[in-house]
Amino acid sequence: KQEVTQIPAALSVPEGENLVLNCSFTDSAIYNLQWFRQDPGKGLTSLLLIQSSQREQTSGRLNASLDKSSGRSTLYIAASQPGDSATYLCAVRPVSGGNKLVFGAGTILRVKS
Amino acid sequence: GAGVSQSPRYKVAKRGQDVALRCDPISGHVSLFWYQQALGQGPEFLTYFQNEAQLDKSGLPSDRFFAERPEGSVSTLKIQRTQQEDSAVYLCASSPEATGFFNQPQHFGDGTRLSIL
Repeated sequence: KQEVTQIPAALSVPEGENLVLNCSFTDSAIYNLQWFRQDPGKGLTSLLLIQSSQREQTSGRLNASLDKSSGRSTLYIAASQPGDSATYLCAVRPVSGGNKLVFGAGTILRVKS
Repeated sequence: GAGVSQSPRYKVAKRGQDVALRCDPISGHVSLFWYQQALGQGPEFLTYFQNEAQLDKSGLPSDRFFAERPEGSVSTLKIQRTQQEDSAVYLCASSPEATGFFNQPQHFGDGTRLSIL
């Protein structure tokens, strides 16, 4: 059974810092991995989608990497801003049961001004 | 609308009542997913539709949970004889992908927060 773990569970940083969020998954047989942002009381906003054949994706100040063989992904946020404060969720699309996303519990990020 | 729309945003019900949650996917999206998110946790898969066909309902926690998408667009998740452990946020997502092509992102609505008293 695919399991997704996110470390750390919570992170507080001063504005302007670069930071890394970590995601690990137990089964490397995946179609893709997706990073989401969730604001309080809101749904999920897709940030980046990395296909299994790709190593990384970039969007603005965000960069996500994927090492499928080791079951790891990182989300790098450059020059963090208070508006980046949210919960960040990692999800994989497993080959076995590809109809679903399997999520981690998330990292709660707080960027202090 | 431009995104996935869910209603109601909040629902409070007494234990034992039936509830119905609605999802309007992005126009033209073939795939529709329901997830359940407990407080402080990531979403967990409930069920999946390809047009009007429910292809996977392996995540539904009990036979009290029922989902339908009769015309391949709007979907309804129904919970019968609600219990306190049903309290959660119910998220709906849609995707343009067709069967066998799992390479498209899923787009989520804001969810329905269900509280069972």
